[in-house]
Amino acid sequence: EIVLTQSPGTLSLSPGERATLSCRASQSVSSSYLAWYQQKPGQAPRLLIYGASSRATGIPDRFSGSGSGTDFTLTISRLEPEDFAVYYCQQYGSSPMTFGQGTKVEIK
Amino acid sequence: EVQLVESGGGLVQPGRSLRLSCAASGFTFDDYAMHWVRQAPGKGLEWVSGISWNSGSIGYADSVKGRFTISRDNAKNSLYLQMNSLRAEDTALYYCAKDSMVRGVISADLDYWGQGTLVTVSS
Repeated sequence: EIVLTQSPGTLSLSPGERATLSCRASQSVSSSYLAWYQQKPGQAPRLLIYGASSRATGIPDRFSGSGSGTDFTLTISRLEPEDFAVYYCQQYGSSPMTFGQGTKVEIK
Repeated sequence: EVQLVESGGGLVQPGRSLRLSCAASGFTFDDYAMHWVRQAPGKGLEWVSGISWNSGSIGYADSVKGRFTISRDNAKNSLYLQMNSLRAEDTALYYCAKDSMVRGVISADLDYWGQGTLVTVSS
Protein backbone atom coordinates (compact mmCIF):
# COMPACT_ATOMS: atom_id res chain seq x y z
CA GLU A 1 0.00 0.00 0.00
CA ILE A 2 1.07 3.60 -0.53
CA VAL A 3 2.37 5.29 2.61
CA LEU A 4 1.80 9.05 2.89
CA THR A 5 4.15 11.08 5.08
CA GLN A 6 3.05 14.58 6.05
CA SER A 7 5.35 17.32 7.25
CA PRO A 8 5.74 19.14 9.45
CA GLY A 9 3.86 17.43 12.26
CA THR A 10 2.91 20.79 13.72
CA LEU A 11 2.98 24.24 12.14
CA SER A 12 2.84 27.26 14.46
CA LEU A 13 1.72 30.38 12.64
CA SER A 14 -0.16 33.61 13.20
CA PRO A 15 -3.41 34.67 11.51
CA GLY A 16 -2.65 36.28 8.16
CA GLU A 17 0.46 34.20 7.56
CA ARG A 18 0.93 31.68 4.77
CA ALA A 19 0.85 27.96 5.58
CA THR A 20 2.59 25.35 3.44
CA LEU A 21 1.88 21.69 4.21
CA SER A 22 3.66 18.78 2.54
CA CYS A 23 2.51 15.26 1.71
CA ARG A 24 4.98 12.76 0.26
CA ALA A 25 4.00 9.36 -1.08
CA SER A 26 6.08 6.18 -0.93
CA GLN A 27 5.29 5.62 -4.62
CA SER A 28 3.73 7.63 -7.38
CA VAL A 29 0.07 8.51 -6.87
CA SER A 30 -1.90 7.48 -9.94
CA SER A 31 -3.50 10.31 -11.93
CA SER A 32 -2.91 12.76 -9.08
CA TYR A 33 -5.68 11.12 -7.08
CA LEU A 34 -4.70 13.05 -3.97
CA ALA A 35 -7.11 14.83 -1.62
CA TRP A 36 -6.78 17.08 1.41
CA TYR A 37 -9.12 17.22 4.40
CA GLN A 38 -9.49 19.61 7.32
CA GLN A 39 -10.56 18.35 10.73
CA LYS A 40 -11.43 20.52 13.71
CA PRO A 41 -11.77 19.15 17.26
CA GLY A 42 -14.99 17.19 17.72
CA GLN A 43 -15.87 17.41 14.04
CA ALA A 44 -15.77 15.08 11.07
CA PRO A 45 -13.18 15.67 8.36
CA ARG A 46 -14.14 18.08 5.58
CA LEU A 47 -12.98 17.68 2.00
CA LEU A 48 -10.92 20.67 0.85
CA ILE A 49 -9.05 19.57 -2.28
CA TYR A 50 -9.42 16.62 -4.67
CA GLY A 51 -7.46 15.62 -7.74
CA ALA A 52 -4.44 17.30 -6.15
CA SER A 53 -5.55 20.82 -7.07
CA SER A 54 -9.34 21.14 -7.42
CA ARG A 55 -11.21 22.88 -4.62
CA ALA A 56 -14.27 21.15 -3.26
CA THR A 57 -17.62 22.90 -3.22
CA GLY A 58 -17.70 25.93 -0.94
CA ILE A 59 -13.98 25.94 -0.13
CA PRO A 60 -12.46 29.46 -0.07
CA ASP A 61 -9.84 30.27 -2.69
CA ARG A 62 -7.18 30.87 -0.02
CA PHE A 63 -6.84 27.07 -0.04
CA SER A 64 -4.87 25.65 -2.96
CA GLY A 65 -3.31 22.31 -3.77
CA SER A 66 -0.45 21.41 -6.06
CA GLY A 67 1.91 18.61 -6.93
CA SER A 68 2.09 15.33 -8.77
CA GLY A 69 3.82 11.98 -8.61
CA THR A 70 5.07 11.63 -5.04
CA ASP A 71 5.16 15.25 -3.81
CA PHE A 72 2.06 17.27 -2.99
CA THR A 73 1.45 20.56 -1.21
CA LEU A 74 -1.50 22.26 0.44
CA THR A 75 -1.14 26.02 0.73
CA ILE A 76 -3.29 28.36 2.78
CA SER A 77 -2.45 31.81 1.48
CA ARG A 78 -3.58 33.85 4.51
CA LEU A 79 -4.59 32.02 7.64
CA GLU A 80 -7.97 32.91 9.07
CA PRO A 81 -8.83 32.08 12.72
CA GLU A 82 -11.10 29.24 11.56
CA ASP A 83 -8.24 27.57 9.62
CA PHE A 84 -6.41 26.37 12.71
CA ALA A 85 -7.04 22.64 12.59
CA VAL A 86 -5.51 19.31 11.59
CA TYR A 87 -5.04 18.59 7.88
CA TYR A 88 -4.82 15.15 6.31
CA CYS A 89 -3.83 14.08 2.82
CA GLN A 90 -5.37 10.98 1.23
CA GLN A 91 -4.45 9.03 -1.87
CA TYR A 92 -7.14 7.15 -3.75
CA GLY A 93 -5.29 6.13 -6.87
CA SER A 94 -4.31 2.74 -5.49
CA SER A 95 -6.24 0.35 -3.32
CA PRO A 96 -6.40 0.54 -0.40
CA MET A 97 -6.87 4.28 -0.10
CA THR A 98 -4.55 5.62 2.57
CA PHE A 99 -4.23 8.76 4.69
CA GLY A 100 -1.25 10.68 5.96
CA GLN A 101 -0.74 11.03 9.70
CA GLY A 102 -1.83 14.68 9.71
CA THR A 103 -0.35 18.14 10.18
CA LYS A 104 -1.65 20.32 12.98
CA VAL A 105 -1.77 24.04 12.21
CA GLU A 106 -1.80 25.87 15.53
CA ILE A 107 -1.89 29.50 16.56
CA LYS A 108 1.54 30.89 17.38
CA GLU B 1 -28.73 18.54 2.15
CA VAL B 2 -26.61 15.40 2.39
CA GLN B 3 -26.85 13.72 5.77
CA LEU B 4 -25.08 10.63 7.05
CA VAL B 5 -26.06 9.43 10.51
CA GLU B 6 -24.18 6.57 12.11
CA SER B 7 -25.49 4.42 14.94
CA GLY B 8 -24.78 1.16 16.71
CA GLY B 9 -21.58 1.99 18.55
CA GLY B 10 -20.98 1.23 22.20
CA LEU B 11 -18.90 -0.62 24.75
CA VAL B 12 -18.23 -4.25 23.86
CA GLN B 13 -15.97 -6.94 25.27
CA PRO B 14 -13.05 -8.32 23.26
CA GLY B 15 -14.12 -11.16 21.00
CA ARG B 16 -17.73 -9.99 20.79
CA SER B 17 -19.61 -8.52 17.83
CA LEU B 18 -21.24 -5.22 16.94
CA ARG B 19 -23.16 -3.96 13.94
CA LEU B 20 -22.90 -0.36 12.83
CA SER B 21 -25.47 1.37 10.64
CA CYS B 22 -25.39 4.54 8.58
CA ALA B 23 -28.61 6.19 7.42
CA ALA B 24 -28.15 8.35 4.33
CA SER B 25 -30.34 11.10 2.94
CA GLY B 26 -30.17 14.09 0.63
CA PHE B 27 -28.64 12.30 -2.36
CA THR B 28 -29.29 9.32 -4.63
CA PHE B 29 -27.79 6.68 -2.37
CA ASP B 30 -27.62 3.90 -4.94
CA ASP B 31 -25.47 6.02 -7.26
CA TYR B 32 -22.46 6.14 -4.93
CA ALA B 33 -19.92 3.91 -3.29
CA MET B 34 -19.79 4.22 0.48
CA HIS B 35 -17.02 3.77 3.03
CA TRP B 36 -16.24 3.29 6.68
CA VAL B 37 -13.27 5.23 8.03
CA ARG B 38 -12.17 5.05 11.65
CA GLN B 39 -10.17 7.25 13.98
CA ALA B 40 -8.69 5.90 17.18
CA PRO B 41 -8.68 8.36 20.11
CA GLY B 42 -6.12 11.09 19.43
CA LYS B 43 -4.95 9.40 16.23
CA GLY B 44 -5.30 9.84 12.49
CA LEU B 45 -7.74 8.49 9.91
CA GLU B 46 -7.76 4.87 8.77
CA TRP B 47 -9.88 3.55 5.91
CA VAL B 48 -11.69 0.40 7.05
CA SER B 49 -13.89 -0.75 4.20
CA GLY B 50 -15.71 0.36 1.07
CA ILE B 51 -18.57 -0.93 -1.06
CA SER B 52 -19.52 0.07 -4.60
CA TRP B 53 -22.93 1.44 -5.54
CA ASN B 54 -24.25 -1.99 -6.55
CA SER B 55 -22.29 -4.04 -3.96
CA GLY B 56 -20.33 -5.54 -6.84
CA SER B 57 -16.99 -4.35 -5.50
CA ILE B 58 -15.98 -4.54 -1.84
CA GLY B 59 -12.68 -3.86 -0.12
CA TYR B 60 -11.26 -4.10 3.36
CA ALA B 61 -8.18 -2.92 5.18
CA ASP B 62 -5.85 -5.79 6.08
CA SER B 63 -6.40 -4.97 9.75
CA VAL B 64 -10.07 -5.98 9.56
CA LYS B 65 -10.17 -8.50 6.71
CA GLY B 66 -11.91 -11.69 7.73
CA ARG B 67 -13.50 -10.07 10.80
CA PHE B 68 -15.59 -7.19 9.40
CA THR B 69 -18.27 -7.32 6.71
CA ILE B 70 -19.63 -4.29 4.89
CA SER B 71 -23.04 -4.29 3.24
CA ARG B 72 -25.69 -1.91 2.01
CA ASP B 73 -29.42 -1.84 1.45
CA ASN B 74 -30.19 0.60 -1.34
CA ALA B 75 -33.93 0.30 -0.75
CA LYS B 76 -33.39 1.59 2.79
CA ASN B 77 -30.62 4.08 1.94
CA SER B 78 -28.46 2.38 4.55
CA LEU B 79 -24.89 1.20 4.97
CA TYR B 80 -23.78 -1.39 7.50
CA LEU B 81 -20.62 -2.73 9.09
CA GLN B 82 -20.76 -6.08 10.88
CA MET B 83 -17.79 -6.29 13.21
CA ASN B 84 -16.89 -9.69 14.66
CA SER B 85 -14.04 -10.86 16.88
CA LEU B 86 -13.48 -7.31 18.11
CA ARG B 87 -10.12 -6.37 19.56
CA ALA B 88 -8.94 -3.54 21.78
CA GLU B 89 -7.22 -1.98 18.77
CA ASP B 90 -10.60 -1.63 17.02
CA THR B 91 -11.54 1.05 19.56
CA ALA B 92 -12.26 4.16 17.51
CA LEU B 93 -14.79 6.62 16.21
CA TYR B 94 -16.26 5.06 13.08
CA TYR B 95 -17.29 7.42 10.31
CA CYS B 96 -19.54 6.67 7.38
CA ALA B 97 -18.39 8.57 4.29
CA LYS B 98 -19.73 9.09 0.77
CA ASP B 99 -17.60 8.53 -2.29
CA SER B 100 -17.58 11.54 -4.60
CA MET B 101 -17.73 9.67 -7.89
CA VAL B 102 -21.06 8.65 -9.44
CA ARG B 103 -21.08 4.86 -9.91
CA GLY B 104 -17.33 4.73 -9.44
CA VAL B 105 -15.19 2.02 -7.96
CA ILE B 106 -14.43 2.00 -4.26
CA SER B 107 -11.57 4.44 -4.27
CA ALA B 108 -12.22 8.15 -4.51
CA ASP B 109 -12.20 11.30 -2.45
CA LEU B 110 -14.84 11.38 0.26
CA ASP B 111 -17.04 14.42 -0.05
CA TYR B 112 -19.45 13.92 2.86
CA TRP B 113 -18.91 12.39 6.29
CA GLY B 114 -21.18 11.57 9.18
CA GLN B 115 -20.39 12.60 12.75
CA GLY B 116 -19.28 9.10 13.69
CA THR B 117 -20.23 6.45 16.22
CA LEU B 118 -17.84 5.45 18.98
CA VAL B 119 -16.85 1.82 19.43
CA THR B 120 -14.99 0.92 22.60
CA VAL B 121 -13.62 -2.60 22.96
CA SER B 122 -12.72 -3.34 26.56
CA SER B 123 -13.29 -5.92 29.23
